[in-house]
Amino acid sequence: KQEVTQIPAALSVPEGENLVLNCSFTDSAIYNLQWFRQDPGKGLTSLLLIQSSQREQTSGRLNASLDKSSGRSTLYIAASQPGDSATYLCAVYTDKLIFGTGTRLQVFP
Amino acid sequence: ETGVTQTPRHLVMGMTNKKSLKCEQHLGHNAMYWYKQSAKKPLELMFVYSLEERVENNSVPSRFSPECPNSSHLFLHLHTLQPEDSALYLCASSQNPGSASNEQFFGPGTRLTVL
Repeated sequence: KQEVTQIPAALSVPEGENLVLNCSFTDSAIYNLQWFRQDPGKGLTSLLLIQSSQREQTSGRLNASLDKSSGRSTLYIAASQPGDSATYLCAVYTDKLIFGTGTRLQVFP
Repeated sequence: ETGVTQTPRHLVMGMTNKKSLKCEQHLGHNAMYWYKQSAKKPLELMFVYSLEERVENNSVPSRFSPECPNSSHLFLHLHTLQPEDSALYLCASSQNPGSASNEQFFGPGTRLTVL
């Protein structure tokens, strides 16, 4: 059974820091991995999708990597800003999306 | 309207009420999904429709009844709910289910409270 784990569960940093959020999964047989952002009480915003044949994807200050063989992905946020404060979710797609419990990020000025 | 929309955004209902949640996608996708997000639990898939046919029912209680009349609309009919059904219900859509390029796009959710 596929399980997805995210660490840390919560993170509080000053503005300007570079951050790494971690995601691990137990079964490497995935189609892709998606990173999402969720603001409190809101829906999910798709940030990056990495297909199983890819190693990384970049969008602006965000960079996500995928090491399928070791069951790991990282989301790198460069030069963090208070507007980055949110919960970040990773999900692996097999025959369905399986989510981790998220990392709650707070960036303070 | 763009993306995936959901109505209502908030709903309070009693255990004997019948209500429906609505989702509409404006992305031209061919698959739609219902998810449940409870406090401190990972998002759980409830239903999947591909080309308007249900392909996944994740052992959801029968008090939740989905309907997909066309590829752009998805409903979740609710009846005789329990307080533990209170949660954020999220709708999503995608193109190319079952492929590496399948990317799901989510709506803003309906916050449901069952009294």
